[in-house]
Amino acid sequence: DSGVTQTPKHLITATGQRVTLRCSPRSGDLSVYWYQQSLDQGLQFLIQYYNGEERAKGNILERFSAQQFPDLHSELNLSSLELGDSALYFCASSITGGAVDTQYFGPGTRLTVL
Amino acid sequence: EDQVTQSPEALRLQEGESSSLNCSYTVSGLRGLFWYRQDPGKGPEFLFTLYSAGEEKEKERLKATLTKKESFLHITAPKPEDSATYLCAVQPYSGGYQKVTFGIGTKLQVIP
Repeated sequence: DSGVTQTPKHLITATGQRVTLRCSPRSGDLSVYWYQQSLDQGLQFLIQYYNGEERAKGNILERFSAQQFPDLHSELNLSSLELGDSALYFCASSITGGAVDTQYFGPGTRLTVL
Repeated sequence: EDQVTQSPEALRLQEGESSSLNCSYTVSGLRGLFWYRQDPGKGPEFLFTLYSAGEEKEKERLKATLTKKESFLHITAPKPEDSATYLCAVQPYSGGYQKVTFGIGTKLQVIP
């Protein structure tokens, strides 16, 4: 158990809908990262937050947004969902988000868009 | 653009048959290279961080090494419980903090 929690574990929804994924980092970690993992693409970095502020952005679609709250938990919002958004979404956390920080991953949320 | 290529894509070993997994990378200045283990449907589990060429790290039956262009994960006398996908990732000096690029992984199956 990494100490990173994610809810829900599974999410099934329809195209065009909007969902919110939630992540709580390990105790003491200030940085949160979101990744998407599809079968044929591996882990794709989406976005990083550090202490409430956006720190780095990867291949995140405009339909997706995220935020980190004062209690350091983070939410990833996915809207206008398409079939291709079906994937595993992982959250990771690290102490500072700078230098070479080890990222610890949560168990993931499996999103299925029908 | 940072690139990570892992080979082979899949590897099947008999229990006790040692082997190595390869991670080749292209990055504009390596800040760190990471190895993770991932079981099906679960989050990646951290194994090692390597910082500079020549560095080696060991954990049980696993040993990771790093050169200027690639990293190897050596598995000595593997057991069935070592079956998993092993992911390699790199963090460059350029770009945002912790903008890590992952390879697709090597799926290892160890047969009793």
